[in-house]
Amino acid sequence: DVKVTQSSRYLVKRTGEKVFLECVQDMDHENMFWYRQDPGLGLRLIYFSYDVKMKEKGDIPEGYSVSREKKERFSLILESASTNQTSMYLCASSLYETQYFGPGTRLLVL
Amino acid sequence: TQLLEQSPQFLSIQEGENLTVYCNSSSVFSSLQWYRQEPGEGPVLLVTVVTGGEVKKLKRLTFQFGDARKDSSLHITAAQPGDTGLYLCAGYMEYGNKLVFGAGTILRVKS
Repeated sequence: DVKVTQSSRYLVKRTGEKVFLECVQDMDHENMFWYRQDPGLGLRLIYFSYDVKMKEKGDIPEGYSVSREKKERFSLILESASTNQTSMYLCASSLYETQYFGPGTRLLVL
Repeated sequence: TQLLEQSPQFLSIQEGENLTVYCNSSSVFSSLQWYRQEPGEGPVLLVTVVTGGEVKKLKRLTFQFGDARKDSSLHITAAQPGDTGLYLCAGYMEYGNKLVFGAGTILRVKS
């Protein structure tokens, strides 16, 4: 069975902190994605990766960076957290067009 | 402005009623997907439609892709409380490589 796990379900951080969100998939998928989900806006793509050490900007990359050192792991980094980054963060992986999502991390930045 | 407009944004109905959720765009999509997301979980794929005019059925759920591949609908017959959730449409644009999501429809089915 397909599994995507995210390191935390809930996180509370302070403005200016560096935040790491980790995602691991066990399906040997090439593609991995980070989205944020906000009410009324749906899912917006932050970054994606087609292979190890490769990354591409999505629609809203500002304030974020990513790291993919191993095929199964894709990390999202908030260099200096701000209150407007309070959101639900969803990681996904895919082989072709179907994306498999993790349970999400709800981040609150105070 | 959303590339994929979903309507309605929120729907609250009684068990046993029928409903339709719409997903519309002015752009052409090579394929359209529908996901359901339950509270505290990530979205889960329900169906993918790829051919204009295509109709797919999944038990009480019927999905249709518009002839021009710019819109889609999800119809639920005899809704049940277990259908409660957020329904998201998403698609790959004709010359794109990223999945574009609509804002979602929150469905609540009361028993």
